[in-house]
Amino acid sequence: GENVEQHPSTLSVQEGDSAVIKCTYSDSASNYFPWYKQELGKGPQLIIDIRSNVGEKKDQRIAVTLNKTAKHFSLHITETQPEDSAVYFCAHAAGNMLTFGGGTRLMVKP
Amino acid sequence: DGGITQSPKYLFRKEGQNVTLSCEQNLNHDAMYWYRQDPGQGLRLIYYSQIVNDFQKGDIAEGYSVSREKKESFPLTVTSAQKNPTAFYLCASSVPTSNQPQHFGDGTRLSIL
Repeated sequence: GENVEQHPSTLSVQEGDSAVIKCTYSDSASNYFPWYKQELGKGPQLIIDIRSNVGEKKDQRIAVTLNKTAKHFSLHITETQPEDSAVYFCAHAAGNMLTFGGGTRLMVKP
Repeated sequence: DGGITQSPKYLFRKEGQNVTLSCEQNLNHDAMYWYRQDPGQGLRLIYYSQIVNDFQKGDIAEGYSVSREKKESFPLTVTSAQKNPTAFYLCASSVPTSNQPQHFGDGTRLSIL
């Protein structure tokens, strides 16, 4: 599938601060953009997703924004907590095949 | 509870040996997938199946084989032809339509003895 670049690869924030992870893709046909959280030794868990007919979606402390013109989308976590520490993956799809970013290791310091 | 079960959690392979990783789902999903995850990297697609008795190669299928005889099950065999099998293997499932999330199991970690 088409590549997706994810930045940063590691992110360290203080508890209570916000965290932002960005992804850029190249396939203009992509129309589905999920975000996954992976804890150590576990499989990825879907935390939020967005489809191309909307520009922003929010679920409590988590939000995702999508700019289809610029082909990038971002995950925003507000009021971070230590339990938010994990690896986060973005992905995109045209159809039902996902292409994943390289992951961001988020560390929230108490 | 509905979900995806992968077994075993840890697996060791000897040189020249084939090993099979199990993946079972009770989500009634038609589509199933196998991914490989190497340390500090993203997920790469090995094989996928959109429906029973059909499967397709992903980006890194060499050295792997699958079968899909039942809707609930999608076992992955790591053959002796896979020279670098040490990795974390993840199975996922989804409905076979566009714009739907994939649901993952908790993985099998395969190591070489």
